[in-house]
Amino acid sequence: QKEVEQNSGPLSVPEGAIASLNCTYSDRGSQSFFWYRQYSGKSPELIMSIYSNGDKEDGRFTAQLNKASQYVSLLIRDSQPSDSATYLCAVKGLTGGGNKLTFGTGTQLKVEL
Amino acid sequence: DVKVTQSSRYLVKRTGEKVFLECVQDMDHENMFWYRQDPGLGLRLIYFSYDVKMKEKGDIPEGYSVSREKKERFSLILESASTNQTSMYLCASRYAGTSGRWSYNEQFFGPGTRLTVL
Repeated sequence: QKEVEQNSGPLSVPEGAIASLNCTYSDRGSQSFFWYRQYSGKSPELIMSIYSNGDKEDGRFTAQLNKASQYVSLLIRDSQPSDSATYLCAVKGLTGGGNKLTFGTGTQLKVEL
Repeated sequence: DVKVTQSSRYLVKRTGEKVFLECVQDMDHENMFWYRQDPGLGLRLIYFSYDVKMKEKGDIPEGYSVSREKKERFSLILESASTNQTSMYLCASRYAGTSGRWSYNEQFFGPGTRLTVL
């Protein structure tokens, strides 16, 4: 089992719809969770962080965390073509003295006109 | 805004050459990281550094070494480049404070260096 799992996609949504990206993790002691957006050929850009159970909203983005289910998700409302990218889930757990982020392999999102 | 810069965007080297990749951050971060990213394998941690002159092996340190002589600079060294080290190399810096939008633990990436070893 991978430490951080994401569906590779592509996930296709129409413009204006809600895109839902999911991530599960195996380290039950994980404490910090992050979503990065990565455009093709570019480096990852941090867009959301979440540390406690529940929802955290920032503009069109909402991160949701359920530690009991070891599940974190990212919702993108009113999806735009510019949201088309690969979204990486990252988890900071207890391995490596708690200093390492473990990344999923990413979900490719395509927002269609 | 956090700024992490890398010395080159694209680099082409020959097998056996010694390769230096440099990363500089301007936010006084203690922690810095080197990753490589390959299709289907995702981001893999090569080395990280807690502070000046301190380093820890990541998941794939073989064939690499690092140097951190100054807080703002973290160098990745390929002692003898091989074709299987052709990859995108990403440096990252960890934010260790609370200011504005971002809080403790957030990690920021540089633009990346695409290295090709022939």
